[in-house]
Amino acid sequence: EVRLVESGGGLVQPGGSLRLSCAASGLTFSTSWIHWVRQAPGKGLVWVSRINNDGSSTSYADSVKGRFTISRDNAKNTLYLQINSLRADDTAVYYCARYMGSGTYSLDYWGQGTLVTVSS
Amino acid sequence: QSALTQPPSASGSPGQSVTISCTGTSSDVGGYNSVSWYQQHPGKAPKVMIYEVSKRPSGVPDRFSGSKSGNTASLTVSGLQAEDEADYYCSSYAGSNTYVFGGGTKVTVL
Repeated sequence: EVRLVESGGGLVQPGGSLRLSCAASGLTFSTSWIHWVRQAPGKGLVWVSRINNDGSSTSYADSVKGRFTISRDNAKNTLYLQINSLRADDTAVYYCARYMGSGTYSLDYWGQGTLVTVSS
Repeated sequence: QSALTQPPSASGSPGQSVTISCTGTSSDVGGYNSVSWYQQHPGKAPKVMIYEVSKRPSGVPDRFSGSKSGNTASLTVSGLQAEDEADYYCSSYAGSNTYVFGGGTKVTVL
């Protein structure tokens, strides 16, 4: 069974930093491309970032570029999202999700999410 | 990276059909056969229902179908059932290894 489990969320003050983690099991992590998607309370899904299987290629939404950094440790089957200079509008549930692959442009397995709250 | 446009709500009676639209631009929806549709029940993670415009993952009922014309994609749910009541989101590849989601549509089964 494929499982993606996010952690690292919490309450942080504006301007602060957090590192989110996504622990994967039940899949060949080292060949999987992974995305981060976030959802503000009561709002829609927003694509955040993507990393390829070996970490050599990353991409970001304009709204987070320069503040967020995606990375991975294939030896630990874990994905990370370093979030800096946090703002109130970064408050959201952050999901990691696996890319289906083969030009599908779709995400087939999702974690349950971790909540980040930015507030003073 | 502007969000794709979806109607905020749609509804139908059990057994009827409902169609949700998703409008983008030639830089996303119209430029690639990369539209996906996700179903999200309250408090749950999204689930992919359609990928590559019209393909269904294993296990998704054939009541769910997708199509695209120009810059607008559509999801049709036929034979509505109570469990289909959920939020639905479209997404598309937007070039340069980026993606964009729609604002979401709340489907109500009357």
